[in-house]
Amino acid sequence: DVKVTQSSRYLVKRTGEKVFLECVQDMDHENMFWYRQDPGLGLRLIYFSYDVKMKEKGDIPEGYSVSREKKERFSLILESASTNQTSMYLCASSFRAETQYFGPGTRLLVL
Amino acid sequence: AQSVTQPDIHITVSEGASLELRCNYSYGATPYLFWYVQSPGQGLQLLLKYFSGDTLVQGIKGFEAEFKRSQSSFNLRKPSVHWSDAAEYFCAVGLPSNTGKLIFGQGTTLQVKP
Repeated sequence: DVKVTQSSRYLVKRTGEKVFLECVQDMDHENMFWYRQDPGLGLRLIYFSYDVKMKEKGDIPEGYSVSREKKERFSLILESASTNQTSMYLCASSFRAETQYFGPGTRLLVL
Repeated sequence: AQSVTQPDIHITVSEGASLELRCNYSYGATPYLFWYVQSPGQGLQLLLKYFSGDTLVQGIKGFEAEFKRSQSSFNLRKPSVHWSDAAEYFCAVGLPSNTGKLIFGQGTTLQVKP
């Protein structure tokens, strides 16, 4: 079974803090993705990576950065958290254009 | 631009009744098509997918979906809904490229009445 894990299920941070969300997959997938999910808006792609050290912006990259130093790990970074970044964050991985497998999500609250 | 539309934001059905969730897409060619389900507070789980071939696709938990090219649709169906099917359902379109990017619909929340 494909396993995608996210470092935290719930996080509470203060405005202005630097926040790291970690995602690890165990299937040697090339592609990894970070989404943000908000009620009524579905899933929106923040960033994706198609190889180590390679990344591309998604639909809503502002306020976020990413890091992929190893194939199995993809990190999402909020450089200076703001209240409008309170959301559910979902990580996924896939082999080429095949099925994306999702982690359980991290619910982030920024106060 | 590519897009996915799920016209029904919220659907309520009685347990044992049949279910159909609608999905329409806009794309120049035949994309890869997916249905995912999300239980409250959880990640997304793949129900079924269509890449090519037979246009009627069987998935897990008794779900099926039919790809209709002429209507640009990929509707999800289940003949008899169980209370445990209450969840949010997402249709997604994949672009046949190595990046594997998906475009998601806004989701349909299914409520099941006893």
